[in-house]
Amino acid sequence: DAKTTQPNSMESNEEEPVHLPCNHSTISGTDYIHWYRQLPSQGPEYVIHGLTSNVNNRMASLAIAEDRKSSTLILHRATLRDAAVYYCISYRNQFYFGTGTSLTVIP
Amino acid sequence: DAGITQSPRHKVTETGTPVTLRCHQTENHRYMYWYRQDPGHGLRLIHYSYGVKDTDKGEVSDGYSVSRSKTEDFLLTLESATSSQTSVYFCAISDPTSGPYNEQFFGPGTRLTVL
Repeated sequence: DAKTTQPNSMESNEEEPVHLPCNHSTISGTDYIHWYRQLPSQGPEYVIHGLTSNVNNRMASLAIAEDRKSSTLILHRATLRDAAVYYCISYRNQFYFGTGTSLTVIP
Repeated sequence: DAGITQSPRHKVTETGTPVTLRCHQTENHRYMYWYRQDPGHGLRLIHYSYGVKDTDKGEVSDGYSVSRSKTEDFLLTLESATSSQTSVYFCAISDPTSGPYNEQFFGPGTRLTVL
């Protein structure tokens, strides 16, 4: 399973879009890209996943680079409840969470 | 929310004592996992199970054992707890029939302190 690289922290103003980047340069062709987030004092929760094409759901959008070596999680309008640690995972057999990106949302 | 409970939610114990953490699910999902979370390391997989009596080691399995005698329960045992096992432990479940992407659902966590 490929390891991923994310910035340690990011800030966003409330109600503005947030783009959270992730590098997974050693990803294999059949590895899914997952994003989870962890709110304070809770277990991680699923956000979105994708393989090759861009994906949208009610929580976020996932933009995957054409070469699949990077992806971006997009929160269209950040709210205070989106403050969390966001994990990008390249999944084949096991989940490797890494340390994720801690998102701070500024009111 | 997925029906996953962990017990106990908090535990303080002494070095050298045995400790068992329990994960219970009501979703009938076949796969279950134990992770630990430490500052600077994110979540790391300890052990996982693909079914009753079918378990395997994860990234950080030394010092831990698991058992799964029923679909709904997955037990994590520290035979002789050490201070390095002070951590927050998360259980997760997933349903392999839901697709190859294997979405995992996490429990609320157990905070274990080994003095």
